[in-house]
Amino acid sequence: YELTQPPSVSVSPGRTARISCSGVTLSELFANWYQHKPGQAPILVMCKDDERPSGIPERFSGSVSGTSVTLTITGVQAEDEADYYCQSADNNGTYVLFGGGTKLTVL
Amino acid sequence: QLQLMESGGGVVQPGGSLRLSCAAPEVTLSDHGMFWVRQPPGKGLEWVASVSYDGREKYYAEPVRGRFTISRDNSKDTVFLQLNSLTLGDTAIYYCAKYGLLSGAMDVWGHGTTVIVSS
Repeated sequence: YELTQPPSVSVSPGRTARISCSGVTLSELFANWYQHKPGQAPILVMCKDDERPSGIPERFSGSVSGTSVTLTITGVQAEDEADYYCQSADNNGTYVLFGGGTKLTVL
Repeated sequence: QLQLMESGGGVVQPGGSLRLSCAAPEVTLSDHGMFWVRQPPGKGLEWVASVSYDGREKYYAEPVRGRFTISRDNSKDTVFLQLNSLTLGDTAIYYCAKYGLLSGAMDVWGHGTTVIVSS
């Protein structure tokens, strides 16, 4: 079981960034998203496909369609530049899966 | 923002061992499942191991199964990762993370501790 993400996404400030994640288990199991900046602890930015944890800006949203999930950042800001990882589990919900990560560059 | 604190990393020769610890000064860990996740240099996040809130259930990623052991001492609110038979491929920053019951995700992380396996 694998989760596939694009290696990189680039967007200008104020525009919309969409980061996709695909995997066969995503049609049955929830996906979560983490933001990771160098030298810092990863931060949960989206859980259960489309639920935004407390403290995460409203510009972050999540969606699911079939075997793919998407993290959308509307009105991207410079501070959003980071690596983003989707995460789910295998079909038994036992083993944790991470996508390969997407480097978001704010131009 | 709540954070966990990892310790125990260092430089070790191939075949050596290390014991990592994860504590949380502001978070009670005993009610939560816990994870260890690592990031090798220049690569992405990689799940290593999981342990249930009571320590009874443990799961390991294929590359570390049989060499690493996850455990916890709820009386001390601490989670451990014993690393044995280390190889060059185990070089990474090791993070611990807490499972959030409401989020169903890793909702609190530490800054990580660095393990370098080198001869």
